Amino acid sequence: SQQGEEDPQALSIQEGENATMNCSYKTSINNLQWYRQNSGRGLVHLILIRSNEREKHSGRLRVTLDTSKKSSSLLITASRAADTASYFCATALNSGGSNYKLTFGKGTLLTVNP
Amino acid sequence: EAGVAQSPRYKIIEKRQSVAFWCNPISGHATLYWYQQILGQGPKLLIQFQNNGVVDDSQLPKDRFSAERLKGVDSTLKIQPAKLEDSAVYLCASSFTSSYNTQYFGPGTRLTVL
Repeated sequence: SQQGEEDPQALSIQEGENATMNCSYKTSINNLQWYRQNSGRGLVHLILIRSNEREKHSGRLRVTLDTSKKSSSLLITASRAADTASYFCATALNSGGSNYKLTFGKGTLLTVNP
Repeated sequence: EAGVAQSPRYKIIEKRQSVAFWCNPISGHATLYWYQQILGQGPKLLIQFQNNGVVDDSQLPKDRFSAERLKGVDSTLKIQPAKLEDSAVYLCASSFTSSYNTQYFGPGTRLTVL
């Protein structure tokens, strides 16, 4: 079963607006990662936030993590048409020793209209 | 730095036929992953290798799927015999180690089973 659940499933905005996507999960995690997938392509890592962090920034991306609510949000500011893609959250769980396993959600399809 | 290479990019087969996918990870990456991504869903881990050893194959349908990474570098994933429900994108990813590390994904192989 998939650990993370993104919300909304689809989001359509105008260029220049901000986009917010949420992710909820069920069990304790070691870290949470966000990935982007353009149509027909592989996934690209965007940002990683550890379980002891609350907020992280990378360029136009801002990620928050609330471990008490088991939720995370990804904010993309000043969106561009090139940001059109599916966005996935992935939770990292220790699966034994120093090994960590990523479990992906179903993703949010973001469409940025020019 | 060259990325993760996968071939073929597309494959169409009839049910009950066999198929094989190839992956060459980023040089120096010890950990290699195979994921299955069904349309509209997030990637699901099939198998994880650390060098040439299997770390996790709990979600691999072992009656029809097999994978190997003989020399600890490139890997092949085989399906024999294929079923209609195997239609999906098969993604290969690699990471430097399995501890917290970012995973780098290849472009994937889109399999259609008729």
